Amino acid sequence: EVQLVESGGGLVQPGRSLKLSCAASGFTFSNYYMAWVRQAPKKGLEWVATISTSGSRTYYPDSVKGRFTISRDNAKSSLYLQMNSLKSEDTATYYCARGSVEDWGQGVMVTVSS
Amino acid sequence: DIQVTQSPSSLLASLGERVTITCQTSQSISNNLNWYQQKPGQAPMLLIYYATSLQTGMPSRFSGQYSGRSFTLTITSLEPEDIANYFCLQHYSAPWTFGGGTKLELK
Repeated sequence: EVQLVESGGGLVQPGRSLKLSCAASGFTFSNYYMAWVRQAPKKGLEWVATISTSGSRTYYPDSVKGRFTISRDNAKSSLYLQMNSLKSEDTATYYCARGSVEDWGQGVMVTVSS
Repeated sequence: DIQVTQSPSSLLASLGERVTITCQTSQSISNNLNWYQQKPGQAPMLLIYYATSLQTGMPSRFSGQYSGRSFTLTITSLEPEDIANYFCLQHYSAPWTFGGGTKLELK
């Protein structure tokens, strides 16, 4: 069974940084592209980042490009999202997702507020 | 960027009714579109992948079709457990984009 478990969320002040982690199990992690998707409170979904199997290629929308960095550690079956220069509009539940968003974690809440 | 227009944004339907939700993309994406169901307080769940393939374990009353840039999710006979929000996602090219969502409620 595919399991994706996010951690690292919380309350952070605008302009500060936060790093999310996702522990994957139940599949061969190194064989899959991985992604982060977020959902602001009472809002729709927004794709945040995707990383290739080796980690050599990464993709971001303009809304987070230059501020967020996706990375992975295949030896640890773990995915990460480093979020810098956080803004209030980054407040959302962040989901770790496998492949073309076939499987989702339970999500972790990030609140950016002073 | 590829825009995804989902309609309707909300839908009232009766149990046993046939329900159709549509996503229209601004460019051709072949069949690179997924459908998701999300219930309050839960993570989304994959219903349909590559436009027409039913995810394992999902009820057969859910189906997906597409023609050109128009994609449809159909529930053939609405059940109480189908009351949820539904989203589509195009993953043909970055930035991947979601439809705005459809809130399905009981009439």
